[in-house]
Amino acid sequence: QVQLVESGGGVVQPGRSLRLSCAVSGFTFSNHAVHWVRQAPGKGLEWVAVISYDGSDKNYADSVKGRFTISRDNSKNTLYLQMSSLRPEDTAVYYCARDRTGTTLFFDYWGQGTLVTVSS
Amino acid sequence: DIQMTQSPSSLSASVGDRVTITCRASQNISTYLNWYQQKPGKAPKLLISTASSLQSGVPSRFSGSGSEADFTLTLRSLQPEDFATYYCQQSYSFPLSFGGGTKVEIK
Repeated sequence: QVQLVESGGGVVQPGRSLRLSCAVSGFTFSNHAVHWVRQAPGKGLEWVAVISYDGSDKNYADSVKGRFTISRDNSKNTLYLQMSSLRPEDTAVYYCARDRTGTTLFFDYWGQGTLVTVSS
Repeated sequence: DIQMTQSPSSLSASVGDRVTITCRASQNISTYLNWYQQKPGKAPKLLISTASSLQSGVPSRFSGSGSEADFTLTLRSLQPEDFATYYCQQSYSFPLSFGGGTKVEIK
């Protein structure tokens, strides 16, 4: 069955960096775009970034543009989110989510999430 | 950027009730509108895509309608497992955006 498993979350000081990973299984990873979506504690959902099936195309929310980098390794069935210059407002549960195809831009499977806390 | 506005932000209902949640886009998004259900501590689950396409395995008491800028999620005959928060999401253009959510609580 389709599975997405995030890892790499934790507590980090403002201004520091962190890399999240999302290991997928149960489907052909290289056929799908994948996204990161986050949710601050007690708040709603916020889309963060997307990467195309082959990694050639990426889009970001304005709130993370220039600080976060999405990437993927199709040989390892893994999605990444490199986060730098972290701010307290980046504190959230980060979900990776599969795009139905490469262009539908909605999320048909989600991971369980990993919590990132930015605090001194 | 496209803003998505959901109403109400919360509601109380009883088992068996019919519930309607609305979502309004700040511009015409055709039918590029999706609905998700989220239960506490869990990841969201896709219910409906492209305004009215029910996902496999989702009970038929859920339905979606609308186009352009106004959309509706209807839960016919609310069940105990339906108490959750519901989000709409536009897939028309970047940046992708969600509504603020509607929390459906037990009356």
